[in-house]
Amino acid sequence: KAGVTQTPRYLIKTRGQQVTLSCSPISGHRSVSWYQQTPGQGLQFLFEYFSETQRNKGNFPGRFSGRQFSNSRSEMNVSTLELGDSALYLCASSPGNSGGYNEQFFGPGTRLTVL
Amino acid sequence: DQQVKQNSPSLSVQEGRISILNCDYTNSMFDYFLWYKKYPAEGPTFLISISSIKDKNEDGRFTVFLNKSAKHLSLHIVPSQPGDSAVYFCAASALMKTSYDKVIFGPGTSLSVIP
Repeated sequence: KAGVTQTPRYLIKTRGQQVTLSCSPISGHRSVSWYQQTPGQGLQFLFEYFSETQRNKGNFPGRFSGRQFSNSRSEMNVSTLELGDSALYLCASSPGNSGGYNEQFFGPGTRLTVL
Repeated sequence: DQQVKQNSPSLSVQEGRISILNCDYTNSMFDYFLWYKKYPAEGPTFLISISSIKDKNEDGRFTVFLNKSAKHLSLHIVPSQPGDSAVYFCAASALMKTSYDKVIFGPGTSLSVIP
């Protein structure tokens, strides 16, 4: 079974630009979560999508948005980039079933650098 | 305000000895706890978990201990091997109290096992 894939792996943008990151979950998984990893802060939860609906959201400004398609692939968009948005963005997929813990499988991440 | 804390950013241990990684949490709603391991340029991978109804869970060289009254958990690795060198994230979820498993991660502890 193919793992979680994220594209692109590396990205360099300048302040004020916008960026779109893509995540393809494991086949059959309906939940996709996005995390931001920065040194000292660990993994900060951005949002989770399940069956094309945002099911949960972290404490990030509205510049961070996402969506999920019918094939469960997900995209994350950051508008008006700031220097502080430089981070590793991780996507995780899981079956998303309620009633028990669903192990999350992470992709390798997209390293975003904002200049 | 971090709900999951890992107060040691780094830890060095001699090969063959025990590694103890600590984690504290503040939210009493958390009832499911996990440890993830992350190598450079890869996404985190699930290592071991524990439910709040237990105080210990063992899987090979890895044991997680939970002290609910102290809101503290620890991961023991015995014996430590050089391949264990990675960043370890503690994570928590209010699994039984929500219909889905939003996971809160700590900032991580970088473990170096010295041959």
